Amino acid sequence: KAGVTQTPRYLIKTRGQQVTLSCSPISGHRSVSWYQQTPGQGLQFLFEYFSETQRNKGNFPGRFSGRQFSNSRSEMNVSTLELGDSALYLCASSGQGWGYEQYFGPGTRLTVT
Amino acid sequence: GIQVEQSPPDLILQEGANSTLRCNFSDSVNNLQWFHQNPWGQLINLFYIPSGTKQNGRLSATTVATERYSLLYISSSQTTDSGVYFCAVSGNQFYFGTGTSLTVIP
Repeated sequence: KAGVTQTPRYLIKTRGQQVTLSCSPISGHRSVSWYQQTPGQGLQFLFEYFSETQRNKGNFPGRFSGRQFSNSRSEMNVSTLELGDSALYLCASSGQGWGYEQYFGPGTRLTVT
Repeated sequence: GIQVEQSPPDLILQEGANSTLRCNFSDSVNNLQWFHQNPWGQLINLFYIPSGTKQNGRLSATTVATERYSLLYISSSQTTDSGVYFCAVSGNQFYFGTGTSLTVIP
């Protein structure tokens, strides 16, 4: 069974631009969650989608948004990029949600200049 | 939210040595996982262990849910074990600890 995939793997953007990252979960998984990892803040939860509905949201500004499609693929969007948005963005999928094992993708490394 | 504390923050071992990593959490949880983050950033699943004990080769883990802690044991460490080990627990989201950075010296 194929693992979680994320595209692109690396991205360089300029401050003020917007970016869209994509995550394809393991086949059959309906829950997709997103995380931001930075050296200063560690791994922080952004949001979780289950069957196209956002179920939980972390403490991030409204510039961070996401969606999930009917095939469970998910995208996250960051508008008006700031230097502090430079981070590794990880997504995870699971069958049913938090009580089940989470599987992570390889991440997208975003650099904002 | 749930607080997750990992100790020690840094660990340096000689190849062949054993080690124990600890994860304390502040509330009851329905999921606990241990991960190893490789140099490229990917989180590799080690154990899904909300309670009890599991073993996988040189690694084993124990979670005592009633006392809110989990332990990861690494025996006969190898240089390839180097990296950062994370514990994560779930409540209404997935909460990560700050990690233990392990360096195994040949």
